[in-house]
Amino acid sequence: QVQLVESGGGVVQPGRSLRLSCAASGFTFTTYGMDWVRQAPGKGLEWVAVISYDGNNKYYADSVKGRFTISRDNSKNTLYLHMNSLRAEDTAVYFCAKGLDTYGPGDYWGQGTLVTVSS
Amino acid sequence: DIQMTQSPSSLSASVGDRVTITCRARQGIGKYLAWYQQKPGKVPKLLIFAASTLQSGVPSRFSGSGSETDFTLTISSLQPEDVATYYCQKYDSAPQGFTFGPGTKVDI
Repeated sequence: QVQLVESGGGVVQPGRSLRLSCAASGFTFTTYGMDWVRQAPGKGLEWVAVISYDGNNKYYADSVKGRFTISRDNSKNTLYLHMNSLRAEDTAVYFCAKGLDTYGPGDYWGQGTLVTVSS
Repeated sequence: DIQMTQSPSSLSASVGDRVTITCRARQGIGKYLAWYQQKPGKVPKLLIFAASTLQSGVPSRFSGSGSETDFTLTISSLQPEDVATYYCQKYDSAPQGFTFGPGTKVDI
């Protein structure tokens, strides 16, 4: 069965960096686009970034453009989110999601990892 | 990012009622629209993609319609387990962002 397991969350000071990981299993990782989506406490869903199946195409929400980098290692079936210059408003649960296709809505989601940006 | 709107922001209905939620895009997105259900404390679940295609395993009381800028999610007969927040998401253009709507909270 499809499994997505995020890790790497925690408490970090404003301006610092953090890297999230998402370990994928149960499907052919190299075939699907992957997304990061976040949800601030008590708030709605916010799409963060998407990466194509081969890692060649990456797109970002305006709110994280220039600060966050999405990447993937298809040899390790792992998705990453490198987050730089973190701000208090980046505090959220970060979910990884498997795309339905090359791109597309997430048909499987991980349980999420909490990132708290606070001094 | 292209914004999405949803209405209403919340609603309360009775078991068995027909419930309709609307999602609007600021510009045409064809049928590249998905609907999700998120129950309290749970991970979002994909209900519908391509505006009207039911994801496998989703009860048939859920249906979607619309195209371009106006979309609708309908629950034909509301059940207690449908208490959740429902989100729409556009996915027509990755460079323009796969934006979510603000959500509609459904209570009984």
